[in-house]
Amino acid sequence: QQQVKQSPQSLIVQKGGISIINCAYENTAFDYFPWYQQFPGKGPALLIAIRPDVSEKKEGRFTISFNKSAKQFSLHIMDSQPGDSATYFCAAGKGAQKLVFGQGTRLTINP
Amino acid sequence: DGGITQSPKYLFRKEGQNVTLSCEQNLNHDAMYWYRQDPGQGLRLIYYSQIVNDFQKGDIAEGYSVSREKKESFPLTVTSAQKNPTAFYLCASSIGLAGVETQYFGPGTRLLVL
Repeated sequence: QQQVKQSPQSLIVQKGGISIINCAYENTAFDYFPWYQQFPGKGPALLIAIRPDVSEKKEGRFTISFNKSAKQFSLHIMDSQPGDSATYFCAAGKGAQKLVFGQGTRLTINP
Repeated sequence: DGGITQSPKYLFRKEGQNVTLSCEQNLNHDAMYWYRQDPGQGLRLIYYSQIVNDFQKGDIAEGYSVSREKKESFPLTVTSAQKNPTAFYLCASSIGLAGVETQYFGPGTRLLVL
């Protein structure tokens, strides 16, 4: 009930392509779905977040798509750049309670 | 500058030794968290605290202990009971209110066993 499953574990995309990372959750009480970006040796940083009352949120080249009925959400990175190479984590939470994180996706953008 | 500081950046532990990782925040956040990160396993919650002098176990609390005597500080002790302590440890904080769930992370401490 508390798990968040993330795929793929690793992803290689050519520069200028679209990177897509998927997450699925089980607990229908979750109402907050953030994505974090982490560079090697650093702490994760919030990238973008969505709540279940909208199906899509876009910030620059980053878009979250949310499917409440399927209990899935995904991160799309448009026009992927080498500087986007990092590990990405999805997470889910309810209210001010602790977040549950996915396993992470290591993204590599080839120049 | 507001943020979260963790020290040291690298820490070495000998067999049977307890070590303490420091986490300090000047964001005036009520909630603080400790996570362990291992390759391919994402972030796993060790302990969290939503208010001073109170804390709860996370998913992997065995072999760890914490204290929360001040709002700004949430140190983590890795005890000798933790048999596989080699990992990257991350501290985070949040305001602790519904509707404002963003967690801010520190730079991490990498713990290695000698």
